[in-house]
Amino acid sequence: DIQMNQSPSSLSASLGDTITITCHASQNINVWLSWYQQKPGNIPKLLIYKASNLHTGVPSRFSGSGSGTGFTLTISSLQPEDIATYYCQQGQSYPWTFGGGTKLEIK
Amino acid sequence: QVTLKESGPGILKPSQTLSLTCSFSGFSLSTSGMGVGWIRQPSGKGLEWLAHIWWDDDKYYNPSLKSQLTISKDTSRNQVFLKITSVDTADTATYYCARSFITTFDYWGQGTTLTVSS
Repeated sequence: DIQMNQSPSSLSASLGDTITITCHASQNINVWLSWYQQKPGNIPKLLIYKASNLHTGVPSRFSGSGSGTGFTLTISSLQPEDIATYYCQQGQSYPWTFGGGTKLEIK
Repeated sequence: QVTLKESGPGILKPSQTLSLTCSFSGFSLSTSGMGVGWIRQPSGKGLEWLAHIWWDDDKYYNPSLKSQLTISKDTSRNQVFLKITSVDTADTATYYCARSFITTFDYWGQGTTLTVSS
């Protein structure tokens, strides 16, 4: 199985900050990496697919990059509604696997 | 508009079989490239992929649960089903179905919660 290691596991930042979450795959997953946002008490929602493609309706302050084994999710100009847990997921090979999540809090 | 909705029993006793239904609209599982997956999340924990079925009836299972899982579909009724045999307390979680295209889950259902308790 491909392991997805996310860091940090939690993050506290101020409104307006730019933050970066990283996801490292234990094997080459090319660009088959998605990012999801799960707000408290809510369902996961797709933010980024194929490493760097923004899903429909997602604000442009979200961006993704990377290929191979290293990936990043960047949120610029942090907003109150960005409080959530963020997950990465690889689709290179079965079983599809998720990272452990990064809980984002506002200072 | 793509929507998915899960339904299930809510509560089961250990060793019973879990039957889940995902009813969806806004897309067809007869369309090339379309799929539906099941993912679960214990309260306060992360996401675990369980199973996947594609438009061509190709099926994939999480090896850690493979012997317990069966996924199927009824394309004409826009439904996907998941059975998990011999549940135990560790299967207590919220179960989501989600549409997949290529390698991502682009639309998720609201989830159905399962409690396994004697």
